[in-house]
Parts: sequence; structure tokens; C-alpha cells
Amino acid sequence: GQNIDQPTEMTATEGAIVQINCTYQTSGFNGLFWYQQHAGEAPTFLSYNVLDGLEEKGRFSSFLSRSKGYSYLLLKELQMKDSASYLCAVGNDYKLSFGAGTTVTVRA
Amino acid sequence: EAGVTQFPSHSVIEKGQTVTLRCDPISGHDNLYWYRRVMGKEIKFLLHFVKESKQDESGMPNNRFLAERTGGTYSTLKVQPAELEDSGVYFCASSQDPGYTDTQYFGPGTRLTVL
Repeated sequence: GQNIDQPTEMTATEGAIVQINCTYQTSGFNGLFWYQQHAGEAPTFLSYNVLDGLEEKGRFSSFLSRSKGYSYLLLKELQMKDSASYLCAVGNDYKLSFGAGTTVTVRA
Repeated sequence: EAGVTQFPSHSVIEKGQTVTLRCDPISGHDNLYWYRRVMGKEIKFLLHFVKESKQDESGMPNNRFLAERTGGTYSTLKVQPAELEDSGVYFCASSQDPGYTDTQYFGPGTRLTVL
């Protein structure tokens, strides 16, 4: 079975840093994806990790530890437009298995 | 380049009726996926097409759901007859390469409400 856990909600101040954790226990693993989804819109791809370590992409970074079944998404220099749901997803064969998503609210 | 598009954006139907959802993938993407998110739950995989062939339909809930992809371009997902528990947001995604790690690009979804 697939078990992917992430916090339901997080709140942070504009300009700050927020770290969204994701733990997973899955029957297969081909990589860990992070998506951002604004309300009523399509989930949009943010990052992909298949090897252990940190991947940096502008203000967003993602980390993976396969031995611990753990990933995090780090959002730096938060902006109001970063208020959204962030989805952790594990790739298994061609399928993505998603966590329930973390709603991040950025306050002025 | 146009992204994944889905039609309609919203659909409200009565229990027992039929609804057909459409997905147009990114041009040139051979891989097409359907996912669903029911209220309060995570997004779940329904099925995967490679061109016009069903590669994996292990996530389809039951035989009231029928997906097609004639000609390997757009896809339709028909629910017949619809039940209350079919309400949710149906997402379509597409990817270019057949590799396991290829990024899937999602459409905005169709919100289905069954009354």
C-alpha cells in the first residue's frame, strides 16, 4: 500500500522561510515530486528528487532521504503568491501517489 | 505551447445520469493519465494511456467508468450511471517520455457534482 504524510496547514510571514515535510512508505519508488496548486487551478510541477540530497531551484529547494522515506520542500523569501496547496507525490511505475497536500498561508 | 486542457470545468448531474469528461493533452505527449480527488482525500490514480492503449487501469473504481483515447490524442472519461460517491475533481495529466521519472503536467480538472 501507499502511505504519504504531510502536514495539513502551515502559516508563515512574507519574506520568511517555510519547510514542508513529507514522509512516505510505498511499495515502489521511482522518485519524489512536489507540486504547487492554487485553488481551482492545475497542480504545477515544482521539483523532482530521485537521489538523496538537496535540489535547489531559485527560491524553492527540495531534499530527499530514501533510507528515511523523507523529503522536504523549502520555500525561501516567501511571497503572497506562494499561498497555495503543496502536494508531495511518490512516483511508482507510471503512477503518482499523492499526499493530501499542505495548505500554506502567507501573511503580510 | 498550450497546456493540458479539460472540459467541462464544472458539471452538476443527477444520480443515475451519464457524464462524459474530456481531456486534451499537451501536443506530442503520448502518455495520458486520469486522476481523481474526492472531498477531503488525496488525489488518486485512475488509469494510464500510452497513445491509444490502456497501459494501467488498476485505479478505476468500477465498471461504471469507461475511458477511451481514440487515435491517441484526446481522451474521454465516461461515468454511467453516476452515483453520489463519484463527486469530486477529475484531473488529467500528460507526459512526453515513457520513462518512469518523466514529469506529468496536469490540467485544471473537472469538478463533478452528483446530486
